[in-house]
Amino acid sequence: GDSVTQMEGPVTLSEEAFLTINCTYTATGYPSLFWYVQYPGEGLQLLLKATKADDKGSNKGFEATYRKETTSFHLEKGSVQVSDSAVYFCALGMWNQGGKLIFGQGTELSVKP
Amino acid sequence: SAVISQKPSRDICQRGTSLTIQCQVDSQVTMMFWYRQQPGQSLTLIATANQGSEATYESGFVIDKFPISRPNLTFSTLTVSNMSPEDSSIYLCSARGGQTGELFFGEGSRLTVL
Repeated sequence: GDSVTQMEGPVTLSEEAFLTINCTYTATGYPSLFWYVQYPGEGLQLLLKATKADDKGSNKGFEATYRKETTSFHLEKGSVQVSDSAVYFCALGMWNQGGKLIFGQGTELSVKP
Repeated sequence: SAVISQKPSRDICQRGTSLTIQCQVDSQVTMMFWYRQQPGQSLTLIATANQGSEATYESGFVIDKFPISRPNLTFSTLTVSNMSPEDSSIYLCSARGGQTGELFFGEGSRLTVL
């Protein structure tokens, strides 16, 4: 069935380090792909999205490119800040299943000053 | 975008009781969903709330345990019935807006079952 796999956390980085969180997916059809972020004590927020192959989503310095050939949607940021500490969820949206989202297991990021 | 309000935001419940969570969206949306996030875990879809008809449940979730209503396009309820400590979770309401499948989420209802 359809699924999302993320790299396991927690990930601990120093401020200004480069971030990559890997995300791969398995899906029939052509899903949309999303990254959501959950800051400590807060609700889930959409970080970025891509709706078709080769699309690049970007927001707040984060980027992810929809790679159909490798079924991946890795999240990257060139220089992380302490305020980026959060849990990041990769998700795919299935239009042929009513638009529901399937989430990866989440990756906790901790950025140290 | 859509703003989603849930209540209660948190509650402590006794084993064997039931609790209903309400979800209100500030605009009409086509799809509404209920997710569960167990402690330290990812989000698992419970069901799709269908307006004016029975909800569509995912594997492992049944109507008797999680009855759902959606009387109109902006409001839904989820009841967690006959609760046990294993039901202690955050329950999140979400709604789909726009053409890209983006889901907006409420801040969740954190239930603790003693």
